[in-house]
Amino acid sequence: QVQLVQSGAEVRKPGSSVKVSCKASGGTFSRYTISWVRQAPGQGLEWMGGIIPIFGTANYAQKFQGRVTITADESTSTAYMELSSLRSEDTAVYLCASSPYCNSTSCYWFDPWGQGTLVTVSS
Amino acid sequence: DIQMTQSPSSLSASVGDRVTITCRASQSITTYLNWYQQKPGKAPKLLIYGASSLQSGVPSRFSGGGSGAEFTLTISSLQPEDFATYYCQQSDSTPFTFGPGTKVGIK
Repeated sequence: QVQLVQSGAEVRKPGSSVKVSCKASGGTFSRYTISWVRQAPGQGLEWMGGIIPIFGTANYAQKFQGRVTITADESTSTAYMELSSLRSEDTAVYLCASSPYCNSTSCYWFDPWGQGTLVTVSS
Repeated sequence: DIQMTQSPSSLSASVGDRVTITCRASQSITTYLNWYQQKPGKAPKLLIYGASSLQSGVPSRFSGGGSGAEFTLTISSLQPEDFATYYCQQSDSTPFTFGPGTKVGIK
């Protein structure tokens, strides 16, 4: 069973960027897809995008297109999410989560999850 | 984008109660519907995938049903550790969207 461990909390100023990492262990990295989901304080869950490490291709939610970049390094079993042009509304916990790899979207249930990374955007 | 709604938004129940949460999609998603439990300060935990398949390790008091655009999550006998917020999520098409959540509290 894969386990996901994320990097620590970050504080950024508006207009800057942040890059969060998600390291997988205990499984075969290339046999999963990795998604990023965020949760603003007291709010619900929002899928930002995902990547299939074996292919290196990422798929993004339209809302974040142009501001988010998701990458994966198979050599270190680590996925990354970089969000640019940060604004106060981006203050949230950012979570990575894995899904079993299959040929359609139907397998995009999320388990397990990383522990979450709090990103605070404040001047 | 497929919109997900849940009802009720919150409920109060007692240990031993049977609890049912409903999730509706804005269009048919066949059975591409997943359920999660989230406790404060923790990551969500997968309970049910494919509308009715119980994730390994999840107690059998949790069950899911439905197809098309209407789904249910049922807890047959509520336990103290079940007080949490529950989310549904569609995996029919991107962007994958979640319901707003149902908070299950103690009566």
